[in-house]
Amino acid sequence: TQLLEQSPQFLSIQEGENLTVYCNSSSVFSSLQWYRQEPGEGPVLLVTVVTGGEVKKLKRLTFQFGDARKDSSLHITAAQPGDTGLYLCTQGGSEKLVFGKGTKLTVNP
Amino acid sequence: DAGITQSPRHKVTETGTPVTLRCHQTENHRYMYWYRQDPGHGLRLIHYSYGVKDTDKGEVSDGYSVSRSKTEDFLLTLESATSSQTSVYFCAISEALSSSYNSPLHFGNGTRLTVT
Repeated sequence: TQLLEQSPQFLSIQEGENLTVYCNSSSVFSSLQWYRQEPGEGPVLLVTVVTGGEVKKLKRLTFQFGDARKDSSLHITAAQPGDTGLYLCTQGGSEKLVFGKGTKLTVNP
Repeated sequence: DAGITQSPRHKVTETGTPVTLRCHQTENHRYMYWYRQDPGHGLRLIHYSYGVKDTDKGEVSDGYSVSRSKTEDFLLTLESATSSQTSVYFCAISEALSSSYNSPLHFGNGTRLTVT
């Protein structure tokens, strides 16, 4: 089972700022999924990245999969309070779906 | 929203008592998962199932057992609850798996368990 490291663990920013969070592993990912969890709810899938070097955009969110498929980043442009939540990553291609510890993002108005 | 229901939503129990949490799905998905979530630990996999009567251990399986006698139901049992098992428990379902790709996980709304 791969160990997934997410950084930073906590991030508190003001509305309108940009930010990047990371998901790293010492092993190669077959694919990787990003989820967001809002307080009191279960996580919801944001994106799946499969190909090394792949970049996917979801409105103000940009997801990048490293060329070597060992790392991924999530960049948020002009963060809004609605982006507040816990961002989690998990590797694909395995029945045993293990998550990183997540990045807890707070966007202050 | 995927048809996944967890019950109960909240439970308070005493140390040493058995507890069973239920996850019910209406999607006919093959894979079902139980996670626990604690501050500072993210989501940790307890057990998962890849079919009826087919289950396997996750990262933190000690003190927990599971059963899946029907496609739609996945039960998590704490044989003798301890205070360290106080947590929020999430069930998730997933339709399919290839060698490189997982179908999205759909999560229930969680069960908050307190062991006193």
